[in-house]
Amino acid sequence: SSELTQDPAVSVALGQTVRITCRGDSLRKYYASWYQQKPRQAPVLVIYGKNNRPSGIPDRFSGSSSGNTASFTITGAQAEDEADYYCNSRDNSGNHLFGGGTKLTVL
Amino acid sequence: QVQLQESGPGLVKPSETLSLTCTVSGDSISGYYWSWIRQPPGKGLEWIGYIYNSVSTNYNPSLKSRVTISVDTSKNQFSLKLTSVTAADTAVYYCARDQGYCTNTICSGWFDPWGQGTLVSVSS
Repeated sequence: SSELTQDPAVSVALGQTVRITCRGDSLRKYYASWYQQKPRQAPVLVIYGKNNRPSGIPDRFSGSSSGNTASFTITGAQAEDEADYYCNSRDNSGNHLFGGGTKLTVL
Repeated sequence: QVQLQESGPGLVKPSETLSLTCTVSGDSISGYYWSWIRQPPGKGLEWIGYIYNSVSTNYNPSLKSRVTISVDTSKNQFSLKLTSVTAADTAVYYCARDQGYCTNTICSGWFDPWGQGTLVSVSS
C-alpha cells in the first residue's frame, strides 16, 4: 500500500528517551525524512537519509530504519521538543507520502 | 541561505481557481525540484506536486485533474494553480525545495527549506 502510518500521540517524561515510528511498504525502498512542526509554524526538517541531521538540529535527534518501519528517536527529550512530528517518503511512482503525524507531549 | 516565500490571495470563492507563487531567494531555481504542500486547519500534511526545470512535473493523484505547477526562471519563482476549489481546499499552503538521492539499493527524499506558509480560505 502507498500509505505511511504513525501513532497519533506519544508522551515522554522530561529527559527520557522517546521513539516515534512510521510504517509503510515504501520504507523498504526509501529512507524516511522527519519534520518537526510547532504550533503556527512551518515544518522543519530534522532527519533525512540514513540518519542525517541538518545544520542546527540537536544531536539528541536520530533516525533509523528496518524493513517497513522507520523510527525517529529523541534521546533526552527537552520541553522544546514538544511538537508534531511527521514522516515522509515516496511511493513507486515518485509521489511523496506523509504520515498522519504524531503529537509528542513532554511531561 | 535559500529562502522561500509564498504569496497570493488569502480568500478564494468556491469553484474559482486558487493561484499562489513561491519566490526563491539565495539560489537559482534551476536544477532543483520544487514542491507544494498543504495542511488543512488542524490536520496533517498533504503533498500537492512538484516541478523540475520547467519540464517535469508530478502531481498527487488525488489532485492531479485540478493542479498545475509552473516555473518562471526569469523571476526565480514557481507557481501553483488549483481549479474548481471547494471548502475542502482551505489550508495553509507551503512551498519547499524537494531534494533526494538514490544509491544502488535505496533512495532518500526530503523537503528543505520550507516557506513560512500562507493560509488560503475558500468561502463565498
